[in-house]
Amino acid sequence: GENVEQHPSTLSVQEGDSAVIKCTYSDSASNYFPWYKQELGKRPQLIIDIRSNVGEKKDQRIAVTLNKTAKHFSLHITETQPEDSAVYFCAASITGANNLFFGTGTRLTVIP
Amino acid sequence: DAGITQSPRYKITETGRQVTLMCHQTWSHSYMFWYRQDLGHGLRLIYYSAAADITDKGEVPDGYVVSRSKTENFPLTLESATRSQTSVYFCASGTGTSTEAFFGQGTRLTVV
Repeated sequence: GENVEQHPSTLSVQEGDSAVIKCTYSDSASNYFPWYKQELGKRPQLIIDIRSNVGEKKDQRIAVTLNKTAKHFSLHITETQPEDSAVYFCAASITGANNLFFGTGTRLTVIP
Repeated sequence: DAGITQSPRYKITETGRQVTLMCHQTWSHSYMFWYRQDLGHGLRLIYYSAAADITDKGEVPDGYVVSRSKTENFPLTLESATRSQTSVYFCASGTGTSTEAFFGQGTRLTVV
């Protein structure tokens, strides 16, 4: 099955700096790549997703890039704020397949 | 979000006991999922359901049983709980397997 690796496992940045989280996947048939944010003690919530027919997608301070050739995708958060502190999970799936494979998560801490 | 709710939020049970975790959604989403979240593993799919009376195994199904007699409910049963099943369990629902998954608040299960 699909194997999603996520790096780094922890990331600390100063408020206002950018944060980048990277994921790689193994199955070239994967074509849907969502990112979830999980605040402490809360449920995961989708923050952005991208499909394989798109190379980049942006939503305000958050952007995701996808490199299908290299089989990696990244989350970029600009102008970080303390409320961005959370665990972020990447995931990958194949449309019509039965599973969404998650990475192991990145704990982002934004230092005021 | 009142759309998808899990009960109980916390549960302590003894090894060998049967325990059922409940999940209820009000969106009429066709798909429902059960994940377990463990440190270092991210979120792993236990079982999923594409519609009422249709269920299928995910990545880690052993020791678990599910049913879906109604679209809105998707209970997860641990037939004979083991310590390795100590985890946080998340139920989720969505309109497909490659679309946004909406997660419940989670159930923290401890098996002693």
